[in-house]
Amino acid sequence: GAGVSQSPRYKVAKRGQDVALRCDPISGHVSLFWYQQALGQGPEFLTYFQNEAQLDKSGLPSDRFFAERPEGSVSTLKIQRTQQEDSAVYLCASSPHRGGQPQHFGDGTRLSIL
Amino acid sequence: AQSVSQHNHHVILSEAASLELGCNYSYGGTVNLFWYVQYPGQHLQLLLKYFSGDPLVKGIKGFEAEFIKSKFSFNLRKPSVQWSDTAEYFCAVNPRPNSGYALNFGKGTSLLVTP
Repeated sequence: GAGVSQSPRYKVAKRGQDVALRCDPISGHVSLFWYQQALGQGPEFLTYFQNEAQLDKSGLPSDRFFAERPEGSVSTLKIQRTQQEDSAVYLCASSPHRGGQPQHFGDGTRLSIL
Repeated sequence: AQSVSQHNHHVILSEAASLELGCNYSYGGTVNLFWYVQYPGQHLQLLLKYFSGDPLVKGIKGFEAEFIKSKFSFNLRKPSVQWSDTAEYFCAVNPRPNSGYALNFGKGTSLLVTP
């Protein structure tokens, strides 16, 4: 069946530009997570949604990062005024359970800031 | 700072060799534990998980892991690796399973299995 879909797969932006990354979770999945994975590191938690409610945004590194899931399905991660340190793979994961486990991951969006 | 530590960053084994990848965490209390695998060019996939009960957990593709609470460890094992096991392996911990759902990952171990 269809897994978690992320788009675009690759994104190159100039420093200072705004970017938007999209995540289509598995249909019917209640929980949705965003992670940031820098080169050579494990994924780091950014934010968590249960349906349309953003229950945890403690991992967002700055107020330039914003995520939404307005209808409890598709989610968008927006990064404003991008900086070079934002270069990373951004992973989306979803789970059918309110407890969020286990998580099913997408292929990620590789973001490069020039 | 609380963390998840994977001791080996790069491991090279010959086919049929035994595998053990170490994972330690520093969170107290009840935790949920996971091992994820990322094959080249693919997304992260769940290998196995531990929530409670038998501390020896069996996963897919012949992998198993043992939770040792006193050592804060959750090491991954496989008796005989195959070339197709070449991948990146991540240990992950949910340190607050009753109130928070984020996973904290280790840095990963890159496994190369040679024919």
